[in-house]
Amino acid sequence: GAGVSQSPSNKVTEKGKDVELRCDPISGHTALYWYRQSLGQGLEFLIYFQGNSAPDKSGLPSDRFSAERTGGSVSTLTIQRTQQEDSAVYLCASSLELAGKQYFGPGTRLTVL
Amino acid sequence: RKEVEQDPGPFNVPEGATVAFNCTYSNSASQSFFWYRQDCRKEPKLLMSVYSSGNEDGRFTAQLNRASQYISLLIRDSKLSDSATYLCVVNMGTNAGKSTFGDGTTLTVKP
Repeated sequence: GAGVSQSPSNKVTEKGKDVELRCDPISGHTALYWYRQSLGQGLEFLIYFQGNSAPDKSGLPSDRFSAERTGGSVSTLTIQRTQQEDSAVYLCASSLELAGKQYFGPGTRLTVL
Repeated sequence: RKEVEQDPGPFNVPEGATVAFNCTYSNSASQSFFWYRQDCRKEPKLLMSVYSSGNEDGRFTAQLNRASQYISLLIRDSKLSDSATYLCVVNMGTNAGKSTFGDGTTLTVKP
């Protein structure tokens, strides 16, 4: 079946612009996760959703970052007023149940000039 | 101290060797554990879950030691295709959705 998809695959933007990243989880997966991975670094947990609810937003790096999930499916991660340090690969994953096996999308490579 | 720690390596082993990685975690309330592999510039892919009783999948064996708070991954008869970065993942019991990844252990299998 279809895996997790993310769009766009690459995004180049100018400092100060807003960007929106999209994640389509595997159908039926109730949990959805966002991570960030800078070049040569490990995965940094950002936020998770159980259904449409995000119980813990403490992983978001700043108030410029926000995320939402609608209809228990698609999720968007929005970064406002992008900074150069936001440049990274943003990975989305989904799992059938919370804390279960996660399946990752291919990521969105964000470059802020 | 990091919540999840791994020896970054690199581990350089010949084909056919047996290699083991450990991953320690700090939160004793952690409840679920996994191993992933990540190839260069690719997304992580699930390798296996880690169960309390230990589990095996072909050449791969995962174990959990709750008393000492570590998980391990053993790879037998290493193949060139096993070259990758291996990531351990821990889900905390009190905030089950928050997954903490180790920074990964790099394995290179050489002919």
